[in-house]
Amino acid sequence: DAGVTQSPTHLIKTRGQQVTLRCSPISGHKSVSWYQQVLGQGPQFIFQYYEKEERGRGNFPDRFSARQFPNYSSELNVNALLLGDSALYLCASSLLGWGLGNTEAFFGQGTRLTVV
Amino acid sequence: AQKITQTQPGMFVQEKEAVTLDCTYDTSDQSYGLFWYKQPSSGEMIFLIYQGSYDEQNATEGRYSLNFQKARKSANLVISASQLGDSAMYFCAMKGYDRDDKIIFGKGTRLHILP
Repeated sequence: DAGVTQSPTHLIKTRGQQVTLRCSPISGHKSVSWYQQVLGQGPQFIFQYYEKEERGRGNFPDRFSARQFPNYSSELNVNALLLGDSALYLCASSLLGWGLGNTEAFFGQGTRLTVV
Repeated sequence: AQKITQTQPGMFVQEKEAVTLDCTYDTSDQSYGLFWYKQPSSGEMIFLIYQGSYDEQNATEGRYSLNFQKARKSANLVISASQLGDSAMYFCAMKGYDRDDKIIFGKGTRLHILP
């Protein structure tokens, strides 16, 4: 079975531009979460979507938005890019959206975004 | 609020030795899960091991074991018989079981295995 897949793997954008990152979860997984990892830090939670609804949102500005499609894939959009948005963006999928039975969270290889 | 603390920014270990990576956590939740992930230079976050707060036995997965001490709020990762391929960044993480799937990560420990 394929794991979590993200595209593109690398991206270079200019300040002020907009970017869309894509994620396909593991087959059968209904929950997708997005994380931002800046250099030298652990990942920071941005969003979680479960069954196409937003379940959780981290402390990120409104320039960040996301959505989940009927096939459970997801897109993360970032508008008006800043230099500080340069980071590795990770997508995680899990079978359940929350709860004690939700013991797994598998990550994709990430999209490395550079804003110049 | 939940918090993960990893106090070892970097560690150097001889190949074939066992290594312990420290992790302490803070939470007011009664139910929570603890994770360890490995992140090689390629960037992918690789799931290693999971421990639930109500699990009475320490989790083990092959060469990985989690030394869970609930009263001390610690969840150390033990890697037995280290290999050169174990060189990577290691993250301790946790999540509660409220209404979302948010995982809180520590700052990580960079492990170097020496031949």
